[in-house]
Amino acid sequence: QQQVKQSPQSLIVQKGGISIINCAYENTAFDYFPWYQQFPGKGPALLIAIRPDVSEKKEGRFTISFNKSAKQFSLHIMDSQPGDSATYFCAAKFGAGSYQLTFGKGTKLSVIP
Amino acid sequence: KAGVTQTPRYLIKTRGQQVTLSCSPISGHRSVSWYQQTPGQGLQFLFEYFSETQRNKGNFPGRFSGRQFSNSRSEMNVSTLELGDSALYLCASSLNTNTGELFFGEGSRLTVL
Repeated sequence: QQQVKQSPQSLIVQKGGISIINCAYENTAFDYFPWYQQFPGKGPALLIAIRPDVSEKKEGRFTISFNKSAKQFSLHIMDSQPGDSATYFCAAKFGAGSYQLTFGKGTKLSVIP
Repeated sequence: KAGVTQTPRYLIKTRGQQVTLSCSPISGHRSVSWYQQTPGQGLQFLFEYFSETQRNKGNFPGRFSGRQFSNSRSEMNVSTLELGDSALYLCASSLNTNTGELFFGEGSRLTVL
């Protein structure tokens, strides 16, 4: 089974700091790598996504860095805010014709004032 | 535009019973996927439907089944419930474009006693 490994499981960052979450994958056929944010009691919501032909994508305070040769990608949250406190999931989509996502196990981020 | 709607939001069943969960996708979305979320296993893919056809199925026993109707609404059924089936069941819809973005509902929380 294709796997996506995510670390750390939990992360505590001070307000204004940088939050970094890392993921690694095995299957080189994955062609789309989204990050989802989930607040308690809510479903996951797409935060930012990248395709393997791009090494970095930035949207506001959120940046994905992608290293195709190492099969790793990471989420950086700059100037972290208490409102960013949530669980973050990396994921990967396998090939065309399907929207099946393989998710990492999640990182619970707590941003303290 | 209304989001993905899942019903019921909460339900309690006993072992051996069966349950049916319902999902109404975003208007115009023809692809519906189901995921099981548990603290230990995270988000795991159950199945995906497009135009009433199951396109993919995850690694779950045959007790888990689903279907999609002509109006894109979907149901999933779990028969002969086990304690380990207690989870948040999430439905997601997508436009079936190349972006691969999934829009999740808030889930149906199933507790099996």
